[in-house]
Amino acid sequence: AQKVTQAQTEISVVEKEDVTLDCVYETRDTTYYLFWYKQPPSGELVFLIRRNSFDEQNEISGRYSWNFQKSTSSFNFTITASQVVDSAVYFCALSEARTGNQFYFGTGTSLTVIP
Amino acid sequence: KAGVTQTPRYLIKTRGQQVTLSCSPISGHRSVSWYQQTPGQGLQFLFEYFSETQRNKGNFPGRFSGRQFSNSRSEMNVSTLELGDSALYLCASRAQGTGLMNTEAFFGQGTRLTVV
Repeated sequence: AQKVTQAQTEISVVEKEDVTLDCVYETRDTTYYLFWYKQPPSGELVFLIRRNSFDEQNEISGRYSWNFQKSTSSFNFTITASQVVDSAVYFCALSEARTGNQFYFGTGTSLTVIP
Repeated sequence: KAGVTQTPRYLIKTRGQQVTLSCSPISGHRSVSWYQQTPGQGLQFLFEYFSETQRNKGNFPGRFSGRQFSNSRSEMNVSTLELGDSALYLCASRAQGTGLMNTEAFFGQGTRLTVV
C-alpha cells in the first residue's frame, strides 16, 4: 500500500508567486517522521524540512513553511516568493518507528518557476 | 565537511554482467542506506547498513546485495544485470546510532547505471 501520495505531478508558477506542494501520508504507527526533500537536476536529494508526529506546530523557515495536520494526514509544503532556483522535483517522505530508518517517498512534484 | 560521495557517477553495463557501486558517507556517520530511483517505480529502499551489519532490507531480489566496511564506506553489488536495473542509485548517510529516525539523511549525487 502506498504510504505517501503527492497528487501534483507538475506545477508551474511565475517567479515571486507562492506555491504549495501537497503531501498525504498513511501510517499505522503513532511515532513517525515526515520530511521534504528537493532534487535538482544534479541528482542528489537535498534535505529541506522535518517534522515528527508529536509536534503539529507549523513553522516558517525563511521562504519555506509547512502545514502538518494529523487529522487529515497531510504535510503540505509552501515556498513563498518563488525563485527560478526553486525549480526542482520535490519529494515528501515518511519514516516509521516500526520499519526503522527506511524512507517511504512520494512520487514527487516537479516544480518549474518561470522567470 | 565533505558530503556523501558516490562513485562512479555514470556506468554503462551489458545485460548479464555484474556491477559494484561505492558510497562514502559523511565523516562520523555510521548508517548508510541505498535507494533505487526509476521513472516507473520512483524512489525505492534497497537496504540499510549500520556498523557493518545490514539492519533493514527492501523488497528487491537477491541479485542486489551490499556491505559496509569498518570505515563506514559501503558498496552495493548487482549481479546478472537486467535492463530493468537501469536507474539512479542513491546512497544516504545518517548520524548517530539510536533514535535515527528523527534525523535527516544526507544523499549523494547518485550513480546513473545504464544496462544495455
